[in-house]
Amino acid sequence: NAGVTQTPKFRVLKTGQSMTLLCAQDMNHEYMYWYRQDPGMGLRLIHYSVGEGTTAKGEVPDGYNVSRLKKQNFLLGLESAAPSQTSVYFCASSQQGAGTEAFFGQGTRLTVV
Amino acid sequence: AQSVAQPEDQVNVAEGNPLTVKCTYSVSGNPYLFWYVQYPNRGLQFLLKYITGDNLVKGSYGFEAEFNKSQTSFHLKKPSALVSDSALYFCAVRLGRTTDSWGKLQFGAGTQVVVTP
Repeated sequence: NAGVTQTPKFRVLKTGQSMTLLCAQDMNHEYMYWYRQDPGMGLRLIHYSVGEGTTAKGEVPDGYNVSRLKKQNFLLGLESAAPSQTSVYFCASSQQGAGTEAFFGQGTRLTVV
Repeated sequence: AQSVAQPEDQVNVAEGNPLTVKCTYSVSGNPYLFWYVQYPNRGLQFLLKYITGDNLVKGSYGFEAEFNKSQTSFHLKKPSALVSDSALYFCAVRLGRTTDSWGKLQFGAGTQVVVTP
């Protein structure tokens, strides 16, 4: 009963490097989300998807790209990492419908040096 | 546009006393409102939600929340706080399909709750 799984859990990048964070859910959920959490800033939405093959921008999309090629996976890419992208990243998923609750992964702690 | 505000960075309460965590929202349609809790080094856990109907909704761990449309608020409450309720609490809002940004789930900045013995 995995739920939402994020890979990796920790990562240290050098400025300018690229990486992809993987989010996988086994609940057949339509909606998926990527957030970043910074002290005092709460959870800020980076990108989200309301179905396979669709993505949309959230509040802070700059410097990130996403893809939802398969329904169960939502990938977050950093093409050229910057120290400002040091954060804890959370993925979430929910069933279709505005009133459905979201399930969260355990987070990825990313440090860009 | 949609937004949600949590006006208090931190709420301090003694164990056994009532706990209230405030949330106000701003949306252009009918809101779907949620409360989540986060314990240290963990992901968020769902507590309760308001979709429609009764303005008082009950959730997990003895928490409840009151939806007030005229005041655009959705405050989280617990009649008697426990030390184990100490955590970070988030309010969130999502709009329905009648809006351009349907599906978007937006969170407030969070309120740290500290319950002292």
